[in-house]
Amino acid sequence: AQTVTQSQPEMSVQEAETVTLSCTYDTSESNYYLFWYKQPPSRQMILVIRQEAYKQQNATENRFSVNFQKAAKSFSLKISDSQLGDTAMYFCAFMKLGGGADGLTFGKGTHLIIQP
Amino acid sequence: NAGVTQTPKFRILKIGQSMTLQCAQDMNHNYMYWYRQDPGMGLKLIYYSVGAGITDKGEVPNGYNVSRSTTEDFPLRLELAAPSQTSVYFCASSNRGLAENIQYFGAGTRLSVL
Repeated sequence: AQTVTQSQPEMSVQEAETVTLSCTYDTSESNYYLFWYKQPPSRQMILVIRQEAYKQQNATENRFSVNFQKAAKSFSLKISDSQLGDTAMYFCAFMKLGGGADGLTFGKGTHLIIQP
Repeated sequence: NAGVTQTPKFRILKIGQSMTLQCAQDMNHNYMYWYRQDPGMGLKLIYYSVGAGITDKGEVPNGYNVSRSTTEDFPLRLELAAPSQTSVYFCASSNRGLAENIQYFGAGTRLSVL
């Protein structure tokens, strides 16, 4: 079974600053995907970014980028030029590929607060 | 662009009552999932389906049942509601097997069992 650990329950930064959210995972699988989901107060789960484990290049989506260290089983999310609308819960999630159709395994989340 | 639609949005049940949470997707996705989210926690998988007529248990299936008679619909049934089932329930769908492998979520159903 896979586990996902997010060690920062809450973080707070000033608007326009850069913030990094940590995520580590444990798995014996070699083929998998990693995701960051955002959950604002509306509760909607919104995909922020995803990374295929077989790709060495770190994924980027506008102000969001990841630092994927496969050997260390680390998958951190960097948010540049943070905005008030980035305030939300952020969940790191793991999905294995191959046999079966298991869903996502989530961490407990990090509550990110962007201060004006 | 409806995506994944869940009904109802909120519900209060008494202990021992039954109810069905509805989930429908209009993206022709083959895979569908039910998760629950307890306070301060990430989502946990209850049941999933890889296509019409095929379902399987996830991490926390006890107290729930599902069916998948069509590609579009994946209802979740609570037979005898217990306080431990107070949670927010999310349905998701994906076209797993293709390169995308992204799960799209509904807006959630907040359920309280009193």
